[in-house]
Amino acid sequence: SQTIHQWPATLVQPVGSPLSLECTVEGTSNPNLYWYRQAAGRGLQLLFYSVGIGQISSEVPQNLSASRPQDRQFILSSKKLLLSDSGFYLCAWSVQGGRRAFFGQGTRLTVV
Amino acid sequence: SQQGEEDPQALSIQEGENATMNCSYKTSINNLQWYRQNSGRGLVHLILIRSNEREKHSGRLRVTLDTSKKSSSLLITASRAADTASYFCATPIYSGAGSYQLTFGKGTKLSVIP
Repeated sequence: SQTIHQWPATLVQPVGSPLSLECTVEGTSNPNLYWYRQAAGRGLQLLFYSVGIGQISSEVPQNLSASRPQDRQFILSSKKLLLSDSGFYLCAWSVQGGRRAFFGQGTRLTVV
Repeated sequence: SQQGEEDPQALSIQEGENATMNCSYKTSINNLQWYRQNSGRGLVHLILIRSNEREKHSGRLRVTLDTSKKSSSLLITASRAADTASYFCATPIYSGAGSYQLTFGKGTKLSVIP
């Protein structure tokens, strides 16, 4: 069966510090991978998606970047965090060309 | 950009009552999905309805789709306190090369009072 792991669960970082959130998927090959951000009480905003290794599409200009160094690994990064980067970050995967998405448990990031 | 828009934003009902949430979307779709999110957790897929379907059931869930009105509804019958969560509709938007972006609405926050 497929599983998705996302860590850490919570993170408190000072303004200007770097960020690295990691997401890995098991039990499937060549998945579509997604990073979403959810502000408090709001919907999900798609940040990045990837259809293959090294292939990243950005949806929103921001202080963040994403990388896919391996087929089932998706990393969200920032060189210098801003207060506005605070939020709940969710990683998800779906079958290539498929529809249903499977989500990780999320990372609560607080930038102070 | 957000494709779906849920209504109402918040809903509070007594246990045992039915809960109905609505979703409107903007562009043509080939399917529409509903997800549930418990507070502080990831989303869980509930049900998918294809564009050529008008109604679909799964346990206590009933989903309808009206493509002419670009709208969908999620009905939870005989609600339980454990149904308390936020519910989102989502539509896949084709982004080329066989991949889809799943876009979500802002969700309906459902509270079921015991």
